[in-house]
Amino acid sequence: KNQVEQSPQSLIILEGKNCTLQCNYTVSPFSNLRWYKQDTGRGPVSLTIMTFSENTKSNGRYTATLDADTKQSSLHITASQLSDSASYICVVSAKGTYKYIFGTGTRLKVLA
Amino acid sequence: DSGVTQTPKHLITATGQRVTLRCSPRSGDLSVYWYQQSLDQGLQFLIQYYNGEERAKGNILERFSAQQFPDLHSELNLSSLELGDSALYFCASSPETGDATQYFGPGTRLTVL
Repeated sequence: KNQVEQSPQSLIILEGKNCTLQCNYTVSPFSNLRWYKQDTGRGPVSLTIMTFSENTKSNGRYTATLDADTKQSSLHITASQLSDSASYICVVSAKGTYKYIFGTGTRLKVLA
Repeated sequence: DSGVTQTPKHLITATGQRVTLRCSPRSGDLSVYWYQQSLDQGLQFLIQYYNGEERAKGNILERFSAQQFPDLHSELNLSSLELGDSALYFCASSPETGDATQYFGPGTRLTVL
């Protein structure tokens, strides 16, 4: 069964600290993996998209990694800011189906 | 602002009713996607259209249907509404399909009483 699991469910960190969010998936055959940031009540915003051949992608202070062999991805946030408080969602799509399987997200809270 | 517009912002209706949600994609985007986000199930992919044709179907109920018109705007029709259909419905668009970045609209919050 195609599944995407994220950990931790929630995380609280102090402003300026780094953190890493995890995403494990069982989707096969793999097409791409996306990380989104979603503020409460708003639409998700794309952070990164990675295909099978990519193992690192950065977008400002956000760096995503992908290990297609172990089917794991991580999102690293550097020097966190209060505005990073949001839910971070991992989405994997299966090749040929154009369908998207969502993780349940990690809720990040950054405190001053 | 992603450039994707959705109307209405909020919708309150009763069980058994039918509603239509509307989405206008970013200028030039050919693909439109519909997603449902409920408190207990998170975000779920419903359906995708590409240049007027249905491209992929996710967890869309038979009571729900969608279409994409020649001007590329899309509508999601929800009928025989149940309490459990209360959710945020997002539309997203992208220039093409596959690995393209999807741009999400602000969503329509549907409340079924």
